[in-house]
Amino acid sequence: KNEVEQSPQNLTAQEGEFITINCSYSVGISALHWLQQHPGGGIVSLFMLSSGKKKHGRLIATINIQEKHSSLHITASHPRDSAVYICAGLIQGAQKLVFGQGTRLTINP
Amino acid sequence: NAGVTQTPKFRVLKTGQSMTLLCAQDMNHEYMYWYRQDPGMGLRLIHYSVGEGTTAKGEVPDGYNVSRLKKQNFLLGLESAAPSQTSVYFCASRSGQVVNQPQHFGDGTRLSIL
Repeated sequence: KNEVEQSPQNLTAQEGEFITINCSYSVGISALHWLQQHPGGGIVSLFMLSSGKKKHGRLIATINIQEKHSSLHITASHPRDSAVYICAGLIQGAQKLVFGQGTRLTINP
Repeated sequence: NAGVTQTPKFRVLKTGQSMTLLCAQDMNHEYMYWYRQDPGMGLRLIHYSVGEGTTAKGEVPDGYNVSRLKKQNFLLGLESAAPSQTSVYFCASRSGQVVNQPQHFGDGTRLSIL
């Protein structure tokens, strides 16, 4: 069993829909990292959060450290949001990330 | 501001050949990392460094060596390439001065071993 689990693994939605991607972890982490990777592309950092909620444009990330759960939301989704979204936990006391398997998101026009 | 730069972007090797992947960052970051990404496996840590002159093994270090002679550069070496090392390699860096800082990734190196 992975230490960081994402759901769903694949998600297809229509343009304009509200998207939620979930991340649960079983290890002690000090912060949670959300990353975006477009097909054939590099990896971009979206958020790093250790508590509460962060917002950037149409993207919102929340985390509940006690429940070991984080969510990434996309409002008014657009085809350009189609990508793989990866969550990764920064292990407490270490300088390393442990990664989820990623969620492949496809937004159809 | 270039951020994290990886060279080369693509390479094809024959089994048994050697090569070095270069990662350079211009953000004065203390920590640097090498990952490989394979279909269905997610990102896996190969080696990492917490400062100039230091290196440490990650999750999948076998078959690779690294060096961090200068703070801005982190080199990943394959001494004798094997087909199992066909992958996309990503370098990342982050600041060690502030807690919970995000990692900044390079664009990746696609490596094929024939």
